[in-house]
Amino acid sequence: SQQGEEDPQALSIQEGENATMNCSYKTSINNLQWYRQNSGRGLVHLILIRSNEREKHSGRLRVTLDTSKKSSSLLITASRAADTASYFCATVANTGFQKLVFGTGTRLLVSP
Amino acid sequence: DVKVTQSSRYLVKRTGEKVFLECVQDMDHENMFWYRQDPGLGLRLIYFSYDVKMKEKGDIPEGYSVSREKKERFSLILESASTNQTSMYLCASSRPLAQQETQYFGPGTRLLVL
Repeated sequence: SQQGEEDPQALSIQEGENATMNCSYKTSINNLQWYRQNSGRGLVHLILIRSNEREKHSGRLRVTLDTSKKSSSLLITASRAADTASYFCATVANTGFQKLVFGTGTRLLVSP
Repeated sequence: DVKVTQSSRYLVKRTGEKVFLECVQDMDHENMFWYRQDPGLGLRLIYFSYDVKMKEKGDIPEGYSVSREKKERFSLILESASTNQTSMYLCASSRPLAQQETQYFGPGTRLLVL
């Protein structure tokens, strides 16, 4: 299985601080995606980074990808209480059908 | 606005019952997926479908079956529900790889099997 692992499992910060979450995976990928899940709800796509990209930005989100280390990080800058959620990385393999393989997630708590 | 809907948010069933979970998407997506989500295990793929009447096993298909008679609808069936199938079930859809890889998720169905 190429299931990813997020690190840390849980993160607690104050509003205004930055939050960094890491993801490691096992096999070659086509792309890596980050999703967010509010408690008890479905997942929402945040950002996609392809294997030939090293960094990508979207609003307050910054994603990096290091294919040599098979790892990615998600940085949320100037966090808000509304950012409280679980964050998952998911990888799409280089070959075969497009399947997302999800990590186990990081639970982020942003306190006012 | 893209939308994936699931037939129930919460469901309580008895062991041995046949359970149907329905998923409908309005985006004309070819691909549809069923996952289950359990604490500490993340999301695991049960079945997926890349076209009408087509289905492929995911990572944990045992105890489940699926049906895709129409493009917009993908059903997950628990033939004989067991307590270890208590979980959160999430449906998703996407376009083929060459067009767009993002998956769109429904709100989830929390199933409790007693």
